[in-house]
Amino acid sequence: GDSVTQMEGPVTLSEEAFLTINCTYTATGYPSLFWYVQYPGEGLQLLLKATKADDKGSNKGFEATYRKETTSFHLEKGSVQVSDSAVYFCALSDLTGNNRKLIWGLGTSLAVNP
Amino acid sequence: GAGVSQSPSNKVTEKGKDVELRCDPISGHTALYWYRQRLGQGLEFLIYFQGNSAPDKSGLPSDRFSAERTGESVSTLTIQRTQQEDSAVYLCASSPDRAKYRGYTFGSGTRLTVV
Repeated sequence: GDSVTQMEGPVTLSEEAFLTINCTYTATGYPSLFWYVQYPGEGLQLLLKATKADDKGSNKGFEATYRKETTSFHLEKGSVQVSDSAVYFCALSDLTGNNRKLIWGLGTSLAVNP
Repeated sequence: GAGVSQSPSNKVTEKGKDVELRCDPISGHTALYWYRQRLGQGLEFLIYFQGNSAPDKSGLPSDRFSAERTGESVSTLTIQRTQQEDSAVYLCASSPDRAKYRGYTFGSGTRLTVV
């Protein structure tokens, strides 16, 4: 079945460092891909998305490109801030059946130190 | 409402008791999902409602779990005879009808602790 694999955390960076969180997927067909973020004490929020191959999703300085050839959707940010400390989840939309449920990675915890 | 509202935000219950969790989706969102997030694990799909269609219950872990939704309004997730392994954050999400590409709006979750 469909699945999402994220790099394990925790990831600890200094402020202004470059961030990459790897995400690869297996899926039949052409799913949509998402990154969600969960800040401490808050609910999950959609960070960015991409709906087809070569699409780039971007938001708040974060970017991810839908790479069909490598089945990847890595999250990147050029210069992280302390406020980016959160747990990041990669997900894909399950196209089987008719319910559009999301398949989730396990999450990657990011801690940014000043 | 402006967002997905879940209640209670925290619930501590004794093993063997029944609990009921509530989700109030965004007005006009016909799709509603329940997920479970155990400590240190990813999100686990539980159940999906879409309008008046039969719900997809394929993720419910046992017959102790059930959920209801009337039309496009509030949903309740009921766990009977709670066990310690039921301890988790239960998340509700809603989305517009067949919004395949829009992502989902999540509530803040209900943290359930079974002691």
